[in-house]
Amino acid sequence: EIVLTQSPTTTAASPGEKVTITCLASSSVSNMYWYQQKSGASPKLLIYSTSSLASGVPDRFSGSGSGTSYSLTINTMEAEDAATYYCQQWSSNPLTFGSGTKLEIK
Amino acid sequence: QVTLKESGPGMLQPSKTLSLTCSFSGFSLSTSGMVVSWIRQPSGKSLEWLAAIDWDGDKYYNPSLKSRLTVSKDTSNTQVFLKITSVDIADTATYYCARRDNNYGGFDYWGQGVMVTVSS
Repeated sequence: EIVLTQSPTTTAASPGEKVTITCLASSSVSNMYWYQQKSGASPKLLIYSTSSLASGVPDRFSGSGSGTSYSLTINTMEAEDAATYYCQQWSSNPLTFGSGTKLEIK
Repeated sequence: QVTLKESGPGMLQPSKTLSLTCSFSGFSLSTSGMVVSWIRQPSGKSLEWLAAIDWDGDKYYNPSLKSRLTVSKDTSNTQVFLKITSVDIADTATYYCARRDNNYGGFDYWGQGVMVTVSS
């Protein structure tokens, strides 16, 4: 099983600040997916195939990476971005999710 | 408009079998590339993928739970089912069904989730 380790576990950012969340895979994966989950809601797809923006997602979100290291960046933090973020892979079975990064607004 | 909605018993006793239904509209599971997965999330914890069934009827399971899981779909391709046998307290979670379009790869639509509590 590929383990996805996210860092930081928790972070806070001021409006307008740049935020980067990292996801390290225990083995190489071909693609990474990123989700945003707000309290009490279902996860929402942000990034697919490592760097492609899902429909309706603001372009302040971006993804990058390869091999075992991937990242999600929010270029300019907004209050509505406060949420928990998860990375996910399905390069090998089972599909796995990261442990999550909780992002708060300062 | 794609929608998915989970339904289940809400609460059940340890050792029983949990039966969940995902009812969806706006797409057909018979369309090439479509996959419906079950994912669960204990309160305050991360997401755990359980099982999936694709447009061709192929089934995929999380090896850690495979012996207890059965995923299936109905003949009209508008519902997907999940059975989990011998439940215990550790199976208490919110259960989601989600659509994956293999053309993109991510779970682009999710149900609202159904909370299941295992308690005696």
